[in-house]
Amino acid sequence: DIVMTQTPLSSPVTLGQPASISCRSSQSLVHSDGNTYLSWLQQRPGQPPRLLIYKISNRFSGVPDRFSGSGAGTDFTLKISRVEAEDVGVYYCMHAAQFSLTITFGQGTRLEIK
Amino acid sequence: QVQLVQSGAEVKKPGASVKISCKASGYSFNNYYIHWVRQAPGQGLEWMGIINPGGGSTSYAQKFQGRISMTRDTSTSTVYMDLSSLRSEDTAVYYCAREGGFGELLGCAYWGQGTLVTASS
Repeated sequence: DIVMTQTPLSSPVTLGQPASISCRSSQSLVHSDGNTYLSWLQQRPGQPPRLLIYKISNRFSGVPDRFSGSGAGTDFTLKISRVEAEDVGVYYCMHAAQFSLTITFGQGTRLEIK
Repeated sequence: QVQLVQSGAEVKKPGASVKISCKASGYSFNNYYIHWVRQAPGQGLEWMGIINPGGGSTSYAQKFQGRISMTRDTSTSTVYMDLSSLRSEDTAVYYCAREGGFGELLGCAYWGQGTLVTASS
């Protein structure tokens, strides 16, 4: 089974400064169709999660452009160019396995304001 | 707009079963997979399984095999998740989430409000 490992587990950041979260998979996430099904979700306190990024770097509908995703193979990064107060919460990376139709989440990274 | 509305909170005794509903609206129900994800208090997200509302096929996380069942009612655009043999560790908020992709899995794009299930004697 694929294991998704996020670092750091907690990230204190200053408002207006950038933030970065890493996600590493235990094996390559490149699918036979050439796509890499790695997504990022955000969960604000007391709310359900929401999808931010899919297929490494594509922003989902309504997601601000200060959020960006990058990476390849087994190493991926979510970046926030300038952190705002509403960005506080927990961020999860997620892999969707296309053949088995299974989902694997990372353990989550808590973003907090210094 | 896409909406998923879940049934209300449940309190169950260990060993009992719970059935949660998730009513979808605002899109073509048959065309998008529905996931079930749970979150224990203070913990991360745990994927439980997926159902294809169109044909009814399912895929479950190995951890829940044998005590989980996902079904759907296309006449009411509702999916159901049934978890049996509850134990205290099953206490969690249970979410349904609509898949973001059509023909491929992109992730859980639209979420229900969550249903708190408490398994306690």
